[in-house]
Amino acid sequence: AQKITQTQPGMFVQEKEAVTLDCTYDTSDQSYGLFWYKQPSSGEMIFLIYQGSYDEQNATEGRYSLNFQKARKSANLVISASQLGDSAMYFCAMRERYTGNQFYFGTGTSLTVIP
Amino acid sequence: DGGITQSPKYLFRKEGQNVTLSCEQNLNHDAMYWYRQDPGQGLRLIYYSQIVNDFQKGDIAEGYSVSREKKESFPLTVTSAQKNPTAFYLCASSMRQTRGTGELFFGEGSRLTVL
Repeated sequence: AQKITQTQPGMFVQEKEAVTLDCTYDTSDQSYGLFWYKQPSSGEMIFLIYQGSYDEQNATEGRYSLNFQKARKSANLVISASQLGDSAMYFCAMRERYTGNQFYFGTGTSLTVIP
Repeated sequence: DGGITQSPKYLFRKEGQNVTLSCEQNLNHDAMYWYRQDPGQGLRLIYYSQIVNDFQKGDIAEGYSVSREKKESFPLTVTSAQKNPTAFYLCASSMRQTRGTGELFFGEGSRLTVL
């Protein structure tokens, strides 16, 4: 079974609008972390936001927020006020404690911001 | 500045040749990782190492080899046994014990093309 599932291969959003990128995860570990990374066309991986499994509040970092629904095992990324520079691939990832801190990545979502 | 340095950025190889990709970090991280990314795909784990002189196979280790003789260095050798080595290779590191977010830090990547 896939540890991380991203069901949106591609998304479009109008500049200045908000967009939600979906991510669901599968784990039986009680202690885990969820991450979102951005990969522009240059190829570098940029860390955006983190949510711990014990965190009760949704994480926020500037225009990025993580909509964490533990019972549904979802960790959606919300980008508010989209900018042209947000056009990139976005990857959801999970780190479990009991598997020796391995990281698992989803297949990514390609986001295009339209002027 | 602290970070991860991968070299070379671009590499061309003839079929049947072994090549070694370098990865050096000065973040004092215990764990290091190698990922492979194919066009339009997510990241797949090749090898990872949590401490010096120890490493584990990831999901696609066949045709690759690694060493971890120093904490700072985790070179990846792509051998002639790897049938389809043309890809983008990303090296990463993280704190072994989760402190704070424990996110992965990535290098800028190495793009390998087999001629």
